[in-house]
Amino acid sequence: NAGVTQTPKFRVLKTGQSMTLLCAQDMNHEYMYWYRQDPGMGLRLIHYSVGEGTTAKGEVPDGYNVSRLKKQNFLLGLESAAPSQTSVYFCASRTQGKSEAFFGQGTRLTVV
Amino acid sequence: AQSVTQPDIHITVSEGASLELRCNYSYGATPYLFWYVQSPGQGLQLLLKYFSGDTLVQGIKGFEAEFKRSQSSFNLRKPSVHWSDAAEYFCAVAPGAGGFKTIFGAGTRLFVKA
Repeated sequence: NAGVTQTPKFRVLKTGQSMTLLCAQDMNHEYMYWYRQDPGMGLRLIHYSVGEGTTAKGEVPDGYNVSRLKKQNFLLGLESAAPSQTSVYFCASRTQGKSEAFFGQGTRLTVV
Repeated sequence: AQSVTQPDIHITVSEGASLELRCNYSYGATPYLFWYVQSPGQGLQLLLKYFSGDTLVQGIKGFEAEFKRSQSSFNLRKPSVHWSDAAEYFCAVAPGAGGFKTIFGAGTRLFVKA
């Protein structure tokens, strides 16, 4: 039972490069989330999705785009990476009507 | 505006000693409250949650938390800490059972000394 899987686990980008982070869940959850975690700031919601084909902005969406073409996948894209996007990124999923969110192990991204 | 405050950035306790991690929230209505634990290099795992009813809730790994409406607090406790409890702990508040926009505190890192 894989749960929530994030790919890749680590990445170093140069300023201006683009990349896509993949989140996959095998629990048939409707809701999926992308957070970033920065020291002293906890987790901040970037974007979320309440179902296939739908996405919405969270607290800190600027510089990121997302897509949910398939129910099990939620992609986070950085079109032009900036050093301020150096962070640890977490994906989470949850089923409708339940409170517990399941988290991936995180992606540590460094932008130089 | 909703907010969650964890006043202690880090806490060190001796193995076997009791633990209390503080959490204060600001929210217009009765919130849904959560405590998560993050072990090094891992994602977040739910320890316990409070929606309504008994204000003392039990969670996994021997943790409990008490909701005090008058103090807007939801402190996490454990009677006897084990070395494996060393981790970062996050308090969170949400407007509903799932809460699309769950707000997390900044976290408290727990160190356990032998």
